[in-house]
Amino acid sequence: DIQMTQSPSTLSASVGDRVIITCRASQSISGWLAWYQQKPRRAPKLLIYKASTLESGVPSRFSGSGSGTEFTLTISSLQPGDFAKYYCQQYNSYPWTFGQGTEVEIK
Amino acid sequence: DVQLVESGGGLVQPGGSLRLSCVVSGFTLSNYEMNWVRQAPGKGLEWVSNISTSETITHYVDSVKGRFTISRDNAKNSLYLQMNSLRVEDTAVYYCASGGHCPNGVCQHTGYLQHWGQGTLVTVSS
Repeated sequence: DIQMTQSPSTLSASVGDRVIITCRASQSISGWLAWYQQKPRRAPKLLIYKASTLESGVPSRFSGSGSGTEFTLTISSLQPGDFAKYYCQQYNSYPWTFGQGTEVEIK
Repeated sequence: DVQLVESGGGLVQPGGSLRLSCVVSGFTLSNYEMNWVRQAPGKGLEWVSNISTSETITHYVDSVKGRFTISRDNAKNSLYLQMNSLRVEDTAVYYCASGGHCPNGVCQHTGYLQHWGQGTLVTVSS
């Protein structure tokens, strides 16, 4: 199975900050990576797929990059509604696997 | 509006069975692979299973192979997960989720999870 490792596990930031979350795969997944946002007691929400394609309706302050084994999710200017947990997921090979999550909390 | 609504969760004893259902609306089910994803209390997300648009191909995470069966009925806009021989470690919120759109039912790298239901809680306990 492909292991997905996110860093950091927790990130403290302020409104307006630029935030970068990293996701590393244990083997190459080409660009078959998605990012999700999850708020407490809510279902996850797709933000980005194919490493850098923004899902419809997602604000442009979210962006993704990377290929192979290293990927990043960037929030260019953190907004109050962005405090949440973020997960990466690979869909290059079964079983699909998620990272352990990165909590973005208010500084 | 796209909607996915799960049902069928509840409290069950170890070794018992449950059948989860997910009814979808707002999109043509036959054009999407469908998935089940679970989240144990306070834990991260775990993909459980998916099924092809044609219902003929299924995949499972190792921990549920031989115990869970995914199925779908495109005519009824419904996805199912039959869970047998349940274990305490199966306790989780179970989400149904669509993959990306598959034109004419042909899917290529659509394993991202585009639309999600609200989840249904399965508790396995004696």
